[in-house]
Amino acid sequence: DAMVIQNPRYQVTQFGKPVTLSCSQTLNHNVMYWYQQKSSQAPKLLFHYYDKDFNNEADTPDNFQSRRPNTSFCFLDIRSPGLGDAAMYLCATSRVRTNQPQHFGDGTRLSIL
Amino acid sequence: GIQVEQSPPDLILQEGANSTLRCNFSDSVNNLQWFHQNPWGQLINLFYIPSGTKQNGRLSATTVATERYSLLYISSSQTTDSGVYFCAVELRGSTLGRLYFGRGTQLTVWP
Repeated sequence: DAMVIQNPRYQVTQFGKPVTLSCSQTLNHNVMYWYQQKSSQAPKLLFHYYDKDFNNEADTPDNFQSRRPNTSFCFLDIRSPGLGDAAMYLCATSRVRTNQPQHFGDGTRLSIL
Repeated sequence: GIQVEQSPPDLILQEGANSTLRCNFSDSVNNLQWFHQNPWGQLINLFYIPSGTKQNGRLSATTVATERYSLLYISSSQTTDSGVYFCAVELRGSTLGRLYFGRGTQLTVWP
């Protein structure tokens, strides 16, 4: 059974049109992460939530926002997508200080027209 | 930040061959994970291995934390092993589980 679920698997949006990607988890993990992965590159952390505390990476563009309304769900909002935002977006979860791995969802591949 | 280097960057094998992928890291780590990213982009967790040796079928991994490297062994490779293999580490002392990824090894297995 999938434990970190991302919807949709594929998302197409227009240049400048806001888009929201969603992630849910059944693991009851306290940390949720969003990574961006562009073609032929490694995943790059955008931000993460430790419970309700939001932690933004220094080089994450202002165009990217996140919401975590409860333990199970986390959203990635891209306010005005540009062509350079086309990428795979990966959600991950972990329970820190427990010597357990980080779990990843299957990702959402975002295309910009 | 911590440097994570993977080698080789590309590897091409005939089906049935064995291979070793390497991950070097520049600082002490809490955790290390090996992932396989398949052609559909799914990132599959292979091993959680901050130290020691683990085996899972045809795959095994060894991490020597004191020397700051990890090895992933693939034996009797199959075409379904193709994809990108990533090593990712969590810096020692981190409280938020942040992973730093290497650039990956692109593996292609031919029938």
